[in-house]
Amino acid sequence: SYVLTQPPSVSVAPGQTARITCGGNNIGSKSVHWYQQKPGQAPVLVIYYDRDRPTGIPERFSGSDSANTATLTISRVEVGDEADYYCQVWDSSGSDPFYVFGPGTRVTVL
Amino acid sequence: QITLKESGPTLVKPTQTVTLTCTISGFSLTTGGAGVDWIRQPPGKALEWLALILWDGEKRYNPSLKSRLTITRDTSRNQVVLTMTNMDPLDTATYYCAHRHGYYDASGTDPTSPLDTWGQGTLVSVSS
Repeated sequence: SYVLTQPPSVSVAPGQTARITCGGNNIGSKSVHWYQQKPGQAPVLVIYYDRDRPTGIPERFSGSDSANTATLTISRVEVGDEADYYCQVWDSSGSDPFYVFGPGTRVTVL
Repeated sequence: QITLKESGPTLVKPTQTVTLTCTISGFSLTTGGAGVDWIRQPPGKALEWLALILWDGEKRYNPSLKSRLTITRDTSRNQVVLTMTNMDPLDTATYYCAHRHGYYDASGTDPTSPLDTWGQGTLVSVSS
């Protein structure tokens, strides 16, 4: 099945830029969604279809992709951005397509 | 406003079958393009997608759990039900349901639509 890789953690100072990567074979050809999950809460969609932002998500959140890496960028990081971030793609490579989540990246604001 | 709420037992014994219910509001299970997914998260671990049911009744399952899962819907009660058999302590997790709405046409519904609204989750512990 399709495997996604994410760094376990990213640390960033307030006001700086955090970049969270999601690696996968030819991920650039797939639609990638990103979710933010704060402790004790349900995940929240922050980026969908690689780079679109849901209503209510700050413009500081953006998405991009290349051949084998998708990236979630958080500009001007705030303390409230501390959370786990998960990428997600639809794996249609097998006879039973299904959703795959990455292992998650914990963003710590120093 | 779309909302989803999960309910079910908090504790089950190994080998038992668990039935989880997702009660929805703010949308219809039969609206073109709509769907509900189930996702779980063991304590301190990552999200794992389980299953989905679409507006037209189409169902998809995680291949690694397919033999143990059944997803159904009751449109009159606005509920989606997930049944998981042969529960094991490794199935201890918070179980979430989530809404999706994707593009559809005569050939089918886009399965890659994002999960835009999630329920609060329900913790199911498996222990003897």
